[in-house]
Amino acid sequence: SQQGEEDPQALSIQEGENATMNCSYKTSINNLQWYRQNSGRGLVHLILIRSNEREKHSGRLRVTLDTSKKSSSLLITASRAADTASYFCATAPNAGNNRKLIWGLGTSLAVNP
Amino acid sequence: DAGITQSPRYKITETGRQVTLMCHQTWSHSYMFWYRQDLGHGLRLIYYSAAADITDKGEVPDGYVVSRSKTENFPLTLESATRSQTSVYFCASSAPPKFYGYTFGSGTRLTVV
Repeated sequence: SQQGEEDPQALSIQEGENATMNCSYKTSINNLQWYRQNSGRGLVHLILIRSNEREKHSGRLRVTLDTSKKSSSLLITASRAADTASYFCATAPNAGNNRKLIWGLGTSLAVNP
Repeated sequence: DAGITQSPRYKITETGRQVTLMCHQTWSHSYMFWYRQDLGHGLRLIYYSAAADITDKGEVPDGYVVSRSKTENFPLTLESATRSQTSVYFCASSAPPKFYGYTFGSGTRLTVV
């Protein structure tokens, strides 16, 4: 019952380039979150954007949210080899109990030195 | 990940054995979650808990049992391990997901032979 769908599934770029990942979802949300997972490790929370926000920044990360299109994008600027990881979006649904996040399958990002 | 620890890190067990995976958090987060992560399926919720003594099923609860007698501990038991339960298991904790992201443990890689 994945709600989020990340696009692309895999992305390979050179160090210094920008990386953009997209996430689409199906139902009304309270917030949308992005996470990073390095190989063999647990997920790390990157940023949370609420449904009434359109854009949020954190260091080299920029997240946008378009609730009319039910989509979000994560931009990593000036990428580094250390950004190589899988990136997941997760949504907190508005309806019912929003105690559980709904996860996408992730985008695998490779940043080549 | 400081504040939430999982043990063991790796476990090999035989089919039919009972196995318990441990999860301990030091933040007094009310919510705790167990996920399994498999290639092609992403993160799938097994069980979650909104508070001590309150647990609820996720997407894939069959074959698993949880308990939460104390806020800080949320063990996951495989009653009779099967090969299909070979996976990486992640525990996470959170203040109410409506407002906060999840904090994940480093995971337990379980192999059932």
